Amino acid sequence: KNQVEQSPQSLIILEGKNCTLQCNYTVSPFSNLRWYKQDTGRGPVSLTIMTFSENTKSNGRYTATLDADTKQSSLHITASQLSDSASYICVVRNFGNEKLTFGTGTRLTIIP
Amino acid sequence: DAGVIQSPRHEVTEMGQEVTLRCKPISGHDYLFWYRQTMMRGLELLIYFNNNVPIDDSGMPEDRFSAKMPNASFSTLKIQPSEPRDSAVYFCASSLGQGVVEQYFGPGTRLTVT
Repeated sequence: KNQVEQSPQSLIILEGKNCTLQCNYTVSPFSNLRWYKQDTGRGPVSLTIMTFSENTKSNGRYTATLDADTKQSSLHITASQLSDSASYICVVRNFGNEKLTFGTGTRLTIIP
Repeated sequence: DAGVIQSPRHEVTEMGQEVTLRCKPISGHDYLFWYRQTMMRGLELLIYFNNNVPIDDSGMPEDRFSAKMPNASFSTLKIQPSEPRDSAVYFCASSLGQGVVEQYFGPGTRLTVT
């Protein structure tokens, strides 16, 4: 069964600190993996999309990594800001049928 | 572009009533998706359209749910009759193509069925 598991479920860190969110998946065959940021009361916004051949991709202070062999991805946030407080959702797409499997997200809270 | 537009933003209705959620995708996008988000289950894909044609409705929970896309700029998701367990946030998203492309989400409709 295709599954996407994220950890931790929630995380609280001080403003300015770094953090790393984890995503493990069992989706096969693999097409691509996405990280979304969802602010409270709003729709998800895409941060990165990574294909099989990509190991690292950055978007400003956000850096995503992908290890397709171990089926793991991480999202690293550098020098966190209060505006980074949100839920971060990992989504994996199947190759072929294009189905998306969603993780339940990590709730990140940045405190001043 | 205004992005994906959804209406209403909030809907409160009584059990048994019909509910209609509306979505206007980004102009030019050929794919439209309906999602449901709850605390327990996270985001779930309900149905998606390509060029106004439903492609995969396997995520639609039961016959009480139906979705239409009469033209490229409008889609509806209808629940009839509604039940308390349908309470959730419903998102519409659109994209240009499939695969390694961005999906743009609307602001969502928060549905509460009492």
